[in-house]
Amino acid sequence: ILNVEQSPQSLHVQEGDSTNFTCSFPSSNFYALHWYRWETAKSPEALFVMTLNGDEKKKGRISATLNTKEGYSYLYIKGSQPEDSATYLCALDSGAGSYQLTFGKGTKLSVIP
Amino acid sequence: ETGVTQSPTHLIKTRGQQVTLRCSSQSGHNTVSWYQQALGQGPQFIFQYYREEENGRGNFPPRFSGLQFPNYSSELNVNALELDDSALYLCATLGGQGEMKAFFGQGTRLTVV
Repeated sequence: ILNVEQSPQSLHVQEGDSTNFTCSFPSSNFYALHWYRWETAKSPEALFVMTLNGDEKKKGRISATLNTKEGYSYLYIKGSQPEDSATYLCALDSGAGSYQLTFGKGTKLSVIP
Repeated sequence: ETGVTQSPTHLIKTRGQQVTLRCSSQSGHNTVSWYQQALGQGPQFIFQYYREEENGRGNFPPRFSGLQFPNYSSELNVNALELDDSALYLCATLGGQGEMKAFFGQGTRLTVV
């Protein structure tokens, strides 16, 4: 059974603060790492799909890095805004791009205005 | 807006009953996966269908079954419902120009009493 772990479980930050959270996974079972943003009452939304060690992806104020050798990925949010409040999920694809994903439990971010 | 629609949004069933959940996706999205998210957990992979055939299965018993139809819609059927089946059920379809992405529906909240 694959174990994908995310930390912290939840955090509160002030508007304008930058923040980051971690996803760790077994490095021997890696094909791709996905990040999703899930706002309350909406569908999970794909942020990034990362496959290469050292990969770094960016979308606006959100960026992510990947280390497949040590089995972790960081998600960074620069200058947090209230609309960034959501649960951020990472998911491991260990099946050659099958998109049969193993998810972590998520990090719930609350941005206080 | 992901273009993936799930129905119903909520339902309540009695232990021992059977339930069918539905998912419709965008044209051309011929891979669909179903996930179960129990309270406090990340989504867990149930199974995946590709071109109307099961293409992978997670650690779920045979009373969880599925169908995929030529019009890109799909069903998740659960027989002999148990209290632990109470969860949010998500479907995700694959598509995208260039980089493939998983597009999720908003989920069906199933409560078994």
